[in-house]
Amino acid sequence: GNSVTQMEGPVTLSEEAFLTINCTYTATGYPSLFWYVQYPGEGLQLLLKATKADDKGSNKGFEATYRKETTSFHLEKGSVQVSDSAVYFCALTLSANNQGGKLIFGQGTELSVKP
Amino acid sequence: GAGVSQSPSNKVTEKGKDVELRCDPISGHTALYWYRQSLGQGLEFLIYFQGNSAPDKSGLPSDRFSAERTGGSVSTLTIQRTQQEDSAVYLCASSPGVGLSAEQYFGPGTRLTVT
Repeated sequence: GNSVTQMEGPVTLSEEAFLTINCTYTATGYPSLFWYVQYPGEGLQLLLKATKADDKGSNKGFEATYRKETTSFHLEKGSVQVSDSAVYFCALTLSANNQGGKLIFGQGTELSVKP
Repeated sequence: GAGVSQSPSNKVTEKGKDVELRCDPISGHTALYWYRQSLGQGLEFLIYFQGNSAPDKSGLPSDRFSAERTGGSVSTLTIQRTQQEDSAVYLCASSPGVGLSAEQYFGPGTRLTVT
């Protein structure tokens, strides 16, 4: 079946540290890949996406590269800030027949950045 | 412009009662999704609407769950004879299309507590 696996949290970092959150996927077909973020008390919002192999999604200093050979989409940021504290979700979608682009999420990784 | 809205924001109900959760998508968005976020199960897809029809209901956990969408806009998720395991945050998302890169915009969710 189709699934997404993320590294377990919580992840605690000091401000300006380097961040990596690992994400791997299993999919039949060619998925699009997403990172969504949920800030405390707020709704889910799209952080970045990539729709084909070797694409790099980027936003707000975060990056992730769609690696088909390793079925991975790891999230990275060179220097985290306290305001990056949130829960991060890796997700995929497959548009085939009637699947209609439903998102399949990983379990989420909580990030806490300390000043 | 206005985002996806959901009501109520919180709902506490007794076991065995029926509940209705409402979602108002972004105007003009043809696709609408319901997800459930719970501690034990993470983020799970429930049902997808394209216009007023639901091509994919595969995520509905039991026949106590149903949903409808009218006028290609507002959607209602109904849970009959609620059980404690139904306690979760119910999220609605809408999208302008169903392509692989179509972004889903999430509402703030309805927190359902079944006592």
